[in-house]
Amino acid sequence: DAGVIQSPRHEVTEMGQEVTLRCKPISGHDYLFWYRQTMMRGLELLIYFNNNVPIDDSGMPEDRFSAKMPNASFSTLKIQPSEPRDSAVYFCASSLGYDGGNRNEQYFGPGTRLTVT
Amino acid sequence: QKEVEQNSGPLSVPEGAIASLNCTYSDRVSQSFFWYRQYSGKSPELIMSIYSNGDKEDGRFTAQLNKASQYVSLLIRDSQPSDSATYLCAALPVTGAGSYQLTFGKGTKLSVIP
Repeated sequence: DAGVIQSPRHEVTEMGQEVTLRCKPISGHDYLFWYRQTMMRGLELLIYFNNNVPIDDSGMPEDRFSAKMPNASFSTLKIQPSEPRDSAVYFCASSLGYDGGNRNEQYFGPGTRLTVT
Repeated sequence: QKEVEQNSGPLSVPEGAIASLNCTYSDRVSQSFFWYRQYSGKSPELIMSIYSNGDKEDGRFTAQLNKASQYVSLLIRDSQPSDSATYLCAALPVTGAGSYQLTFGKGTKLSVIP
């Protein structure tokens, strides 16, 4: 079975441009998570969805960030306008559920390395 | 503020030795714990999960959980150079106790010396 798929793997853009990151979760997983990783702050949760509905977006840094999940197999994270401090690796992860045991396990995609110049 | 603390390392062990990685957490409602391995430039890879007090073994890996002490550890037996990576500890609150948010430690960098 395919794992979490993300695209693009690398993105270089100029300050002020719109950036869209894409994610396809593991089939059958009801939860999807967007994380950001930097050397300074480590791995941070930005937002997560349950059955395509955003549940907790308290980690989204500011209004420039938005995320959508139009269906069970696709999600986007958009940054508009982008700034140099947004440079980081963005990971998408998915899990079966949040009701105990192995269903809680989150599996990460390969990530998108974003560089904003 | 939920926190997961790890020694950043680097932890250096000789090939064939046991590597011991430790993690403490502050939130008493944390009930599920996970160890991820992350190679440089790659994504976190789940290697162990543990939910009950005691030990859980999987091949060369053993996870240990002590909820009274709020302490989680990962032992890697017969360490190999391919085990050299950063190991992330993560804690998850029990269902209904809050947001489904994994709290990650900053990671311990392990180096296995041939």
